[in-house]
Amino acid sequence: GQQLNQSPQSMFIQEGEDVSMNCTSSSIFNTWLWYKQDPGEGPVLLIALYKAGELTSNGRLTAQFGITRKDSFLNISASIPSDVGIYFCAGRVPFGNEKLTFGTGTRLTIIP
Amino acid sequence: DSGVTQTPKHLITATGQRVTLRCSPRSGDLSVYWYQQSLDQGLQFLIHYYNGEERAKGNILERFSAQQFPDLHSELNLSSLELGDSALYFCASSADRASSYNSPLHFGNGTRLTVT
Repeated sequence: GQQLNQSPQSMFIQEGEDVSMNCTSSSIFNTWLWYKQDPGEGPVLLIALYKAGELTSNGRLTAQFGITRKDSFLNISASIPSDVGIYFCAGRVPFGNEKLTFGTGTRLTIIP
Repeated sequence: DSGVTQTPKHLITATGQRVTLRCSPRSGDLSVYWYQQSLDQGLQFLIHYYNGEERAKGNILERFSAQQFPDLHSELNLSSLELGDSALYFCASSADRASSYNSPLHFGNGTRLTVT
């Protein structure tokens, strides 16, 4: 089955720093999604990507669908305390496999 | 608020018991997905229903079953519970249509199951 490698596993940064995380897949995906999960809550959709090379922004967040269709990255600029949480990438393979495969998550911590 | 409602929020039960988790999808969404998240782990796909029919199965144990009712709400039944079944169980819905299962998933806040 598909495997999603997400890195880094955790990040410790200072407020105001930029953040970058990425996911790579063993298979070609036709959809990449990025989610954020706060403690005790469900994942919340941040950005959805549907085309190879697509670059999409949502406020301070920017994500790209890799040109090989096997990778994606998420950047967060000028981090703020509410950015703390776990970020998950997720992807779908083409041709009828509807399940969304999730990465193992990147835990973001902001050091005071 | 994602619009996906899950009940109960917490469930504590003993090994060997059976529980039912309930999910109401967002208004208009025909697809319901169930995922399991163990402590500090990613989300593992269990099962997908579309408009009442099972569409895809993931790593779902034989002791687990699910269904989607005509009003589109879904239930996940977990039986003969074991300690290792303790986890967060998430339901998600999407605006998929039969011609294209490509819409983003919107998650509920989960049911935290503790088996003692």
